[in-house]
Amino acid sequence: QSVLTQPPSASGTPGQRVTISCSGSSSNIGSNYVYWYQQLPGTAPKLLIYRNNQRPSGVPDRFSGSKSGTSASLAISGLRSEDEADYYCAAWDDSLSWVFGGGTKLTVL
Amino acid sequence: EVQLVESGGGLVQPGGSLRLSCAASGFTFSSYDMHWVRQATGKGLEWVSAIGTAGDTYYPGSVKGRFTISRENAKNSLYLQMNSLRAGDTAVYYCARGGMTTVTTGIDYWGQGTLVTVSS
Repeated sequence: QSVLTQPPSASGTPGQRVTISCSGSSSNIGSNYVYWYQQLPGTAPKLLIYRNNQRPSGVPDRFSGSKSGTSASLAISGLRSEDEADYYCAAWDDSLSWVFGGGTKLTVL
Repeated sequence: EVQLVESGGGLVQPGGSLRLSCAASGFTFSSYDMHWVRQATGKGLEWVSAIGTAGDTYYPGSVKGRFTISRENAKNSLYLQMNSLRAGDTAVYYCARGGMTTVTTGIDYWGQGTLVTVSS
């Protein structure tokens, strides 16, 4: 059971916009930044969003992040087949630990 | 280019020990916090430990007292000493780079991982 809660799966057709939610508590998302990672099949995770809504250089602006209270969301617009991957949210918890969501498997139909 | 290369994984019996290493390059290693994160086959990511630039260490309850993270800045190397290993510790272990100011800054680069299998 992960500390941060994500839907196990999401899907969309090419060109669509999909969102993935991440729910936490006041000790993690509610008081710290949220990070999002993309993990393509058979590869290591890659940073997608940092500090709630910032994109590292090289990450397309189709990816965006937001946070409100104890929840966060990752939005992917203009969905492409290469976006098919697992997505994880993460945040520092005030109990002095990093916590991750259980991951969301995104399928591009 | 930031590179993190893990080594030391393998098969170990329950109750045994293993030491993982991570060779870092492409950045000033001593200026960054470092992490270990693991992933069991078909499962999600689980944070295992972190070490700050000052040597402060952090662990989740699942490994506290069994795992020890350390760093050797002169060798640009990160280590994870794992003792009293259990079947539930079987996973790919990733070395990852954190921030420069506080361990509360998230991971930005990941290694390719090394597989640890705990089985008799």
